[in-house]
Formats: sequence, C-alpha cells, structure tokens
Amino acid sequence: DIQMTQSPSSLSASVGDRVTITCRASQGIRNDLGWYQQKPGKAPERLIYAASILQSGVPSRFSGSGSGTEFTLTISSLQPEDFATYYCLQHNNYPYTFGQGTKLEIK
Amino acid sequence: QVHLVQSGPEVKKPGASVKISCKASGYTFTRHAMNWVRQAPGESLEWMGWISTSTGNPTYARDFTGRFVFSLDTSGSTASLQINSLKAEDTAVYYCAREGHDSSCDFWGQGTLVIVSS
Repeated sequence: DIQMTQSPSSLSASVGDRVTITCRASQGIRNDLGWYQQKPGKAPERLIYAASILQSGVPSRFSGSGSGTEFTLTISSLQPEDFATYYCLQHNNYPYTFGQGTKLEIK
Repeated sequence: QVHLVQSGPEVKKPGASVKISCKASGYTFTRHAMNWVRQAPGESLEWMGWISTSTGNPTYARDFTGRFVFSLDTSGSTASLQINSLKAEDTAVYYCAREGHDSSCDFWGQGTLVIVSS
C-alpha cells in the first residue's frame, strides 16, 4: 500500500499568514493527489485535484503543487474560515490512502 | 448540481447489522463509481473501497472484507453500505464519495454516524 505522510500534524497560525502543508508518498503517484478541507462535524470538501488544479468555487488563495512523491498545499493569506483540518488523498493505486491530517488552528 | 444525501444516524448493538444509503442526484448515477470512506472518532479518513455503478462490481480495501457489503439500486440512484456483525470499533462516521473523472473523490455525502454500543 502507498503510505501518505502528511506534515505537520498541527499548525497554529494567524489570519493573514501564509501556510504550507506537505504530503509525501512512499512511492511515485504521478499527480494523482487531491487536497481536502474538513470542518468539525462536516464532510470533507475537495480543494485541489490532480495535485495543482483548483476545484471550481475554491478561493484562489489555495494552491497545490508537486508531482511524484512530494506535494504541497499552500494557503497564501489565511482567512478565519480556513481554520480546519486538511487531508491529502492519493488515488494512483488501490487502496486509496489519506494522509493523517493537519489541524490548522488559530494562534 | 451534484448532491449525495445519506441516511440518518444509527445506534446498534454489537452483533447487529446496519445499512446506510447514499442517494445521488444532479448527474447520471451510472457514469461515476462510488467510494466509501470511514472516519472513526478523532481519527483520519480511511478508504473502504468502491463500487462500479455501471456493473455493480465492488472492490473492498483489505480491512473491509467479509462484514462490509456495497450494493446499488440504480433505478433509485442509490448506493448502500451494509455492515454485518457490528463491533464497537465500527463506531464511526461513514461517507459516500463520488469518483470524479480524474478518479479522485470529488463530491461527498454529509456522512452517517453509526454508534455500536451495548
């Protein structure tokens, strides 16, 4: 199975900060990676697909990059509504696997 | 627009069975496979497997073989997950998630909480 190592597991930041979350795959997955945001008590919502394509309706402060084994999600200027948990998902190989999540908290 | 609406929360005793439904609307049901994802309390997301909505063929992740059954009602645009012989460790929120054209999970149901307790 492909392991997705996500870091950091938690992050404290302030409104307006730039933050970066990383996912590392245990083997190459091309660009078969998505990023998801989950707020408490809600379902995940896809932000980014194919590693770098912004989902329709998602603010442009979110961006994704990477290919192969190393991927990043960047939020250029944090807004209050961005405090949530973020997950990566690889869908290159079965079983699909998620990162462990990054909880983004207000400093 | 795409909507996946899941059935409501369930409380079951150990050994019982539960069936969760996921009704799709806003697209042609048989053109997109359906994934199932589990989230135990306070934990990350765990992919359970998927079912082809065109053939009905299910694929289960290793930890979800035996007691877990994916099924379809294509006339009702509904996918279902049945869990048999429930255990306390099955307590979790279960999500259906549509497989997008890029093969990732693009739209998700709102989740169904299953509590297994004696």
